[in-house]
Amino acid sequence: EVQLVESGGGLIQPGGSLRLSCAASGFTVSSNYMSWVRQAPGKGLEWVSVIYGGGYTYYADSVKGRFTISRDNSQNTLYLQMNSLRAEDTAVYYCAREEVTPWVRYFGLWGRGTLVTVSS
Amino acid sequence: DVQMTQSPSSVSASVGDRVTITCRASQVINSWLAWYQQKPGRAPNLLIHAASTLQSGVPSRFSGSGSGTDFTLTISSLQPEDFATYYCQQANSFPRTFGGGTKVEIK
Repeated sequence: EVQLVESGGGLIQPGGSLRLSCAASGFTVSSNYMSWVRQAPGKGLEWVSVIYGGGYTYYADSVKGRFTISRDNSQNTLYLQMNSLRAEDTAVYYCAREEVTPWVRYFGLWGRGTLVTVSS
Repeated sequence: DVQMTQSPSSVSASVGDRVTITCRASQVINSWLAWYQQKPGRAPNLLIHAASTLQSGVPSRFSGSGSGTDFTLTISSLQPEDFATYYCQQANSFPRTFGGGTKVEIK
């Protein structure tokens, strides 16, 4: 079955670090555009980061310099290392596979999300 | 970065109504626009991509149009299962950006 399963969320104090994982099955992470998208409680969707190809990465300005996206090809898993966490990073974090071809670009596969709460 | 402005932020409608949601990009994104539906506690679900291509399995009452900077999502006859929040998203460039969302509520 093709699916994404996130883990690693929880309660963390401001300034702390957390690493999220996203285990993929049914396809190869390294062959796809893989993103993290977050949603603060009661708010809209915010794209966070992407990794694709030979390891190219992009970040939203709101997390640049604090978050690092990576992947482990042997484990077929996507990661998001989050450092210097702030209250405004509190959100459900989704991993998502983006279909990218010369004709299509869309997030076609999403995980269920993992909740990160930054609070003292 | 491309800013996506969605309107309205909420709409109250009845079953059978026609509902139209608009999305405007701050710069030209060609047809790299997708629409998602999200229900509470669930991940977003793709409805339309490339501005007007209906995703497989999505009912034909959903349709999308537009190109350049102005886009529209239309639900031709609202059904009970359509009460949800809808988001547009541009895929022309990184960072990918979403509209603020439109909550479709029961009138």
